[in-house]
Amino acid sequence: DGGITQSPKYLFRKEGQNVTLSCEQNLNHDAMYWYRQDPGQGLRLIYYSQIVNDFQKGDIAEGYSVSREKKESFPLTVTSAQKNPTAFYLCASRGFLWTEAFFGQGTRLTVV
Amino acid sequence: DQQVKQNSPSLSVQEGRISILNCDYTNSMFDYFLWYKKYPAEGPTFLISISSIKDKNEDGRFTVFLNKSAKHLSLHIVPSQPGDSAVYFCAASPFTQGGSEKLVFGKGMKLTVNP
Repeated sequence: DGGITQSPKYLFRKEGQNVTLSCEQNLNHDAMYWYRQDPGQGLRLIYYSQIVNDFQKGDIAEGYSVSREKKESFPLTVTSAQKNPTAFYLCASRGFLWTEAFFGQGTRLTVV
Repeated sequence: DQQVKQNSPSLSVQEGRISILNCDYTNSMFDYFLWYKKYPAEGPTFLISISSIKDKNEDGRFTVFLNKSAKHLSLHIVPSQPGDSAVYFCAASPFTQGGSEKLVFGKGMKLTVNP
């Protein structure tokens, strides 16, 4: 079955450490996205990639980094520079239209 | 500055009645709108969309209405069922009928349908 997988589902990190969230899709989608959700807020765009080896900053990219070495994979690194990393992170991929978008189940990151 | 606003965080309705979820937007460049539904512990899934060239789009029990002059859209669910209980996100896209790079999401609204 085609789909998009995020791992892990829950992640705990000590303050000052970098952590990488995984996102893999087998839908043959070119475009992939990372969103962050905080309580009472909508989904805010962190980074997106329209094609392999290329990615763009979203609205809240500071403190995050990404790579897109393979079409299937779009990992997100939350660096120690991110001031408030505790949040729910969603990865998405889409075909040409957003009506064809698939979202992962999300990763809940907690900084302890 | 929220460009897509879902001002009511929650709504509770009785099974069989109508659910109306509202969404307002501020950016006049938006011309394609989508609703996503999210169950706990799952990612959002696409529900229904509407282009700015239309004022209504219907899919089974779900109808989305668009009022461009008021920059307002609403999602109607009739009749509501307990399985509709979820968080609903309104989202907007500029240009190209949903094929644009970015999508702007509202905060979401939690719908509870009581049996």
